[in-house]
Amino acid sequence: TQLLEQSPQFLSIQEGENLTVYCNSSSVFSSLQWYRQEPGEGPVLLVTVVTGGEVKKLKRLTFQFGDARKDSSLHITAAQPGDTGLYLCAQRNTGGFKTIFGAGTRLFVKA
Amino acid sequence: DAGVIQSPRHEVTEMGQEVTLRCKLISGHNSLFWYRQTMMRGLELLIYFNNNVPIDDSGMPEDRFSAKMPNASFSTLKIQPSEPRDSAVYFCASSLSTKGELFFGEGSRLTVL
Repeated sequence: TQLLEQSPQFLSIQEGENLTVYCNSSSVFSSLQWYRQEPGEGPVLLVTVVTGGEVKKLKRLTFQFGDARKDSSLHITAAQPGDTGLYLCAQRNTGGFKTIFGAGTRLFVKA
Repeated sequence: DAGVIQSPRHEVTEMGQEVTLRCKLISGHNSLFWYRQTMMRGLELLIYFNNNVPIDDSGMPEDRFSAKMPNASFSTLKIQPSEPRDSAVYFCASSLSTKGELFFGEGSRLTVL
């Protein structure tokens, strides 16, 4: 089973700051997903990246997939308190349905 | 449209008691996943089904855990007997097997005293 490592584990920043969180593996991803989980709720999909080098933007969030498809990053510009939550990367096994999650980065944005 | 529905939202029980968690899939979805989330271990996949058939139960901790899909829209996760270390939030998620996105319920928070 491929292990997904996320860093940092915890991040506390002021509103308006920029931040980047990371997801890494020793093996190649077939595709990678980013989810956000708010307190008391289940994770919600933000984006799926498939192609090495791919960059996707979702408003102030920018997702990048490494060229070798072994790592990914999520960059948030001008963070807002509403961005507070647990950011999880996930990998779905090739040809199957099994989705494995990293431990997550817990983000807290202070007003 | 209704999302994934889990019940109960909260359960407090004593060690040794049987616990049954329930999940209703999104209509039309054919894959069902049970996850357990704790601060120490994160989000762990316990078992998943495709078209009502269990595909991989390697994440089920012990024989005390069992999961069923009696029909295409409903699943149960049973713990018998429960132990304090089973305390966690249990999530059910569904998807279309041809798509990658998982849709999660709001979770069932289990506390075993």
